[in-house]
Amino acid sequence: DIVLTQSPATLSLSPGERATLSCRASRSLKNYLAWYQHKPGQSPRLLIYDASIRATDIPARFSGSGSGTDFSLTISSLEPEDFAVYYCQQRNDWLRGTFGQGTKLEIK
Amino acid sequence: EVNLVESGGGLVHPAGSLRLSCVASGFTFGSFAMSWVRQAPGKGLEWVSGIDGSGDLTYYADSVEGRCTTSRDNSQNTLIFEMSSLRVEDTAVYYCVKDLIIGSSFPRYFDVWGRGTLVTVSS
Repeated sequence: DIVLTQSPATLSLSPGERATLSCRASRSLKNYLAWYQHKPGQSPRLLIYDASIRATDIPARFSGSGSGTDFSLTISSLEPEDFAVYYCQQRNDWLRGTFGQGTKLEIK
Repeated sequence: EVNLVESGGGLVHPAGSLRLSCVASGFTFGSFAMSWVRQAPGKGLEWVSGIDGSGDLTYYADSVEGRCTTSRDNSQNTLIFEMSSLRVEDTAVYYCVKDLIIGSSFPRYFDVWGRGTLVTVSS
């Protein structure tokens, strides 16, 4: 089973600051990892897939990196609308859990 | 505009069953794998089930395996999710989601999400 562990659980930052979120896999995913943003009352939104490719209409301040077991999502300069919960997701093992437990990005 | 609209949620008694529908528009429905993803109250996202574009291949999470069936009617652009032997822990918002990759035979990434339908399992 592949387990995705996201850290930190909660990240408190101010607008304009840089955010770095981590996702670690229990075994290699190659680059088969995505990131989603989920705001209260809305549906999740795909941000990044294949570890580093921005999805359609995603601002350039969002970037993804990593391969194998260690991945990061970076938001270069936080906008007020970026405060949300972020999930990583792997596409290698569909019988078990495919999402990480989430990182809540909150306003400091 | 690409759109997914779920229906069929509501209150269900434990051990009961449910049938969720998702109507798709704005894209060639039969060309994409589709999935159901749920979120229990206060919890994270959980992929539940997926189906390839033709409807021949289906995939289920361990948590629902043996209790549910996912199917699709490509002539009606409709995805169906049926689950029986419902448990309190099946209470969640159920999202219908479209796969990013055209022609994929299994779920990969999810680029379009419905608004979700709430299923509450309670006596």
